[in-house]
Amino acid sequence: RKEVEQDPGPFNVPEGATVAFNCTYSNSASQSFFWYRQDCRKEPKLLMSVYSSGNEDGRFTAQLNRASQYISLLIRDSKLSDSATYLCVVNEPSGGVSGAGSYQLTFGKGTKLSVIP
Amino acid sequence: NAGVTQTPKFRILKIGQSMTLQCTQDMNHNYMYWYRQDPGMGLKLIYYSVGAGITDKGEVPNGYNVSRSTTEDFPLRLELAAPSQTSVYFCASSDPGQGLGETQYFGPGTRLLVL
Repeated sequence: RKEVEQDPGPFNVPEGATVAFNCTYSNSASQSFFWYRQDCRKEPKLLMSVYSSGNEDGRFTAQLNRASQYISLLIRDSKLSDSATYLCVVNEPSGGVSGAGSYQLTFGKGTKLSVIP
Repeated sequence: NAGVTQTPKFRILKIGQSMTLQCTQDMNHNYMYWYRQDPGMGLKLIYYSVGAGITDKGEVPNGYNVSRSTTEDFPLRLELAAPSQTSVYFCASSDPGQGLGETQYFGPGTRLLVL
């Protein structure tokens, strides 16, 4: 069974700290990678896609290592508003009647971040 | 655009009752999905659809049924509710131009309690 594993957390950090989340995935056929953010009792929302070359969006940096099947998310200068659960998400082939090109998202259990004043 | 909307927000069911969770999107997305999320767990795919008239099973389809008669709507049916179906249910859709499994937009969820 293909899985996505994340740091269990929770991470409790002071404002301004840098925090890193790690994630590993088991399906080498996975093609796309994402970090989603989920606030308490809310729906998941896309934070950023993860590219092989690494990518940055303001205080957030995502890295992908395909050889190690490893994904990371770095948050710099943490804000109170960053408090949420961060979900590592991987796109992998699903088969099914929808065609050989069908893919589905597999979600990690998430890592909870609490930024403390 | 309203995005993805779900009704009801919350429901309590007795064991053996049936209900339909409604999901509608106004983004003209061909691809739609139903997930369930149990406390402390990742989202699990129940069913998905690549377009009107086409549905496919996900990881945990047992106890559920779906239909897709229009692009906009993707209802999820529970025929005989069981306590194991207590969960939060999320509907999602994605842009057909991006392909299956790409960035998904989620509805606000339906919290279901089966007693």
